[in-house]
Amino acid sequence: AQSVTQPDARVTVSEGASLQLRCKYSSSVTPYLFWYVQYPRQGLQLLLKYYSGDPVVQGVNGFEAEFSKSNSSFHLRKASVHWSDSAVYFCAVATNAYKVIFGKGTHLHVLP
Amino acid sequence: EAGVTQSPRYAVLQEGQAVSFWCDPISGHDTLYWYQQPRDQGPQLLVYFRDEAVIDNSQLPSDRFSAVRPKGTNSTLKIQSAKQGDTATYLCASSLSRDRDQDTQYFGPGTRLLVL
Repeated sequence: AQSVTQPDARVTVSEGASLQLRCKYSSSVTPYLFWYVQYPRQGLQLLLKYYSGDPVVQGVNGFEAEFSKSNSSFHLRKASVHWSDSAVYFCAVATNAYKVIFGKGTHLHVLP
Repeated sequence: EAGVTQSPRYAVLQEGQAVSFWCDPISGHDTLYWYQQPRDQGPQLLVYFRDEAVIDNSQLPSDRFSAVRPKGTNSTLKIQSAKQGDTATYLCASSLSRDRDQDTQYFGPGTRLLVL
């Protein structure tokens, strides 16, 4: 069975600071990995995804994530956050394209 | 291109009442998903369809929840006798299985349900 853990329920950073949101997964095979963002009163939007190849994947709005098989991790990073990045970020794992397991999410608050 | 639309946006019920949620996926998307998202949790898959067929409803509480997609386009999720534990946001998503990015799901804004 697969699972995903986001150990930080809330993260607060100042605008312009760098960001890392942590994600650990459990899977018997190398899974599909995703990061989604949910802005208030909106649906989830895909930031980036990983299947194989280069362990660092680039996403939208300057986000990137790094896959580590040895650490079973898929952490999300951004070099310089903006106040508009305040949202809830979900890490997700799947072993096929359709049954996606989401983490509980990390609430990001960017101080202006 | 229009996104996934859902209605109503909000619903407030007493326990025991019934409610239906409606979803219109992105035009041409053959795969449709319903998720339940409790407060401060991630979405949890309830059921998904390929065209009009249910592919997986193993997480759908079958005694009170039902979902249909009769023409392979719009879908309805119904709760027959709501309980307080059903309080959550219900999200609909769609994707295209024949697309290179078949795993990319596009989400609607959700319906927020409060059961008193």
